[in-house]
Amino acid sequence: EPEVTQTPSHQVTQMGQEVILRCVPISNHLYFYWYRQILGQKVEFLVSFYNNEISEKSEIFDDQFSVERPDGSNFTLKIRSTKLEDSAMYFCASSAGDPSSYNSPLHFGNGTRLTVT
Amino acid sequence: AQKVTQAQTEISVVEKEDVTLDCVYETRDTTYYLFWYKQPPSGELVFLIRRNSFDEQNEISGRYSWNFQKSTSSFNFTITASQVVDSAVYFCALSFLYSGGGADGLTFGKGTHLIIQP
Repeated sequence: EPEVTQTPSHQVTQMGQEVILRCVPISNHLYFYWYRQILGQKVEFLVSFYNNEISEKSEIFDDQFSVERPDGSNFTLKIRSTKLEDSAMYFCASSAGDPSSYNSPLHFGNGTRLTVT
Repeated sequence: AQKVTQAQTEISVVEKEDVTLDCVYETRDTTYYLFWYKQPPSGELVFLIRRNSFDEQNEISGRYSWNFQKSTSSFNFTITASQVVDSAVYFCALSFLYSGGGADGLTFGKGTHLIIQP
C-alpha cells in the first residue's frame, strides 16, 4: 500500500540553525500538509499546500517557516532559525482530494522528531 | 472557530472489556468532516474513519464502532473486546469544507491515551 515517507526520522540541531524536513507524499495525491506535535500534546496544523502554493496556514506557521515542492515527488518544510520551542514531532500528510472531494482522508507519514538544543 | 474536546485524558481497562472514547466538537459550519486517528507507541498517525456531517448512520468495522450524534455534537468511538494491541493515543479531528475551494487543515482534539492491560 502506498505510504507517505519522511526523512530523517530524528534530527538534532542547535538553536539558530536551519533545518529542512523532507517528505515524499503518496504519488497521485494533490494536497500536502505539515502538522506538528509537541511532546505529550495534541497534533497541530501548520500548513496546507496545493497547486504549488500555500492554501492555508496557521498562526504557528510564521516567517521562520517555509514549504516547497522542489520537484514532482518531494515536499519540504524549512525552519530558518530554529528555536528551542520548535522541538516537536513533525508530520507530513497528503490527500488525494480532487475539487469535489478534497476532504478525502489524510495519510500521515511516520514523522520526524526534531530536537533543538 | 472550530474546537474538538476529548475530555478523557487517559483510560485504562483490562483486556476484553469494551471501552468508549468520547469526542465532542464545536463548529459553526453546516458541512464538516469528523475523523478518528490512532497513534500507537511508535508515533505514526493511522487513519481509522471519516464521517461527513450529512451521514449520521453509525458505523461498525470489526471490533470498532462509531456513534455520530449531531444533536449533541458528539462522535464517540467504541472498541469492543479490547486487546493489548489497541493501546495507543486516539485523536478525534474535525475539518470543514471551504466553499471557495482549497485545502483546509484538521483541528485535532488533545487525544485520549488508552491503556489495555493484559
